[in-house]
Amino acid sequence: EDQVTQSPEALRLQEGESSSLNCSYTVSGLRGLFWYRQDPGKGPEFLFTLYSAGEEKEKERLKATLTKKESFLHITAPKPEDSATYLCAVQVSGGSYIPTFGRGTSLIVHP
Amino acid sequence: EPEVTQTPSHQVTQMGQEVILRCVPISNHLYFYWYRQILGQKVEFLVSFYNNEISEKSEIFDDQFSVERPDGSNFTLKIRSTKLEDSAMYFCASSYHPGGGNSPLHFGNGTRLTVT
Repeated sequence: EDQVTQSPEALRLQEGESSSLNCSYTVSGLRGLFWYRQDPGKGPEFLFTLYSAGEEKEKERLKATLTKKESFLHITAPKPEDSATYLCAVQVSGGSYIPTFGRGTSLIVHP
Repeated sequence: EPEVTQTPSHQVTQMGQEVILRCVPISNHLYFYWYRQILGQKVEFLVSFYNNEISEKSEIFDDQFSVERPDGSNFTLKIRSTKLEDSAMYFCASSYHPGGGNSPLHFGNGTRLTVT
């Protein structure tokens, strides 16, 4: 069965303290991997799509990378406004096109 | 920037009652979805809809659920006889391509359904 696992479940950082979130996947074939940000009581907000190993995408303090088994969301010098839950979703090739979500990483950045 | 809108933001209902959750997807999108998120758990797929019919559904989407696009703008999820375990946040999403292949899923801010 296809699986999406995110780690850690929760992460507390001081403002300016860079770190990475992990999304590992075991799927038969990857069509696309998506990163979303979710604020409390809100819907997921799209951040990035990655399609192939070696691909990287950047947006402000966030950079997403992809290997054949996992994706990392690197957060450089985070600010308190980066506090949110970060969700990873994978779309499998050759079958259902519906993205499957991981449980997310809850990030809190302290000032 | 266009967005997906959902109403109501919060719905409280009694067990056994019918509820209809409403969504207005982004106007030029062709694929529509419902997901749900039980408190503290992951976002789970319910159903996708394209060309006025269900294109895919999960095991969660049983006979008590139905979806409809009654006009050119609205997309609804009906739960016929609500159960306590239906309490969750329900998210509507839309995309131009299926599953967000070359265009990501855009989500609304959800309807929090509380069944008492």
